Amino acid sequence: AQSVAQPEDQVNVAEGNPLTVKCTYSVSGNPYLFWYVQYPNRGLQFLLKYITGDNLVKGSYGFEAEFNKSQTSFHLKKPSALVSDSALYFCAVRPYGNKLVFGAGTILRVKS
Amino acid sequence: NAGVTQTPKFQVLKTGQSMTLQCAQDMNHNSMYWYRQDPGMGLRLIYYSASEGTTDKGEVPNGYNVSRLNKREFSLRLESAAPSQTSVYFCASTTSESLYEQYFGPGTRLTVT
Repeated sequence: AQSVAQPEDQVNVAEGNPLTVKCTYSVSGNPYLFWYVQYPNRGLQFLLKYITGDNLVKGSYGFEAEFNKSQTSFHLKKPSALVSDSALYFCAVRPYGNKLVFGAGTILRVKS
Repeated sequence: NAGVTQTPKFQVLKTGQSMTLQCAQDMNHNSMYWYRQDPGMGLRLIYYSASEGTTDKGEVPNGYNVSRLNKREFSLRLESAAPSQTSVYFCASTTSESLYEQYFGPGTRLTVT
């Protein structure tokens, strides 16, 4: 079955330090991969996606993600965290058709 | 260009009551979706509509019905609300031209007592 795992419920990082939010997937074929961010009491906002090509994808707000086919991972990264990055982050995969499968989400807390 | 809009923003229902959640998009997207968000469970797909005139069940369809009224509008109906349907509901839309990036509405927070 197609699935997405976000192994960490919460990630804590100090402002200015690099951050990583992990995502692994279990999908056959060549999936499309997405990251979304949700701020409190808001809908989900698109950050970035991987379709094909360069394994390092750059997105909004200085975020990037690295696609690793052998490890079936798509970790979200940022070189220097901001307090304003604190939010709930979702990884999602399109296994086929026009549906997405979402992970359970990871809370990112950036402390000043 | 409002994107995806949802009404109402908040709703409190008593067990057994019915209501319809409204969703509209102005991006000319073909596909529309209804999700529910519960703590620790991410987003779960309730129903979706791949194109105008079609609807299909998602992961958690029981207790819900949908109507794709036209290309813009996709409504979700709870016929007899239950406390287990207390959740935040999101509508989303997409098109193949956006490579299936989904655009989300602001959500409806529903409480069933």
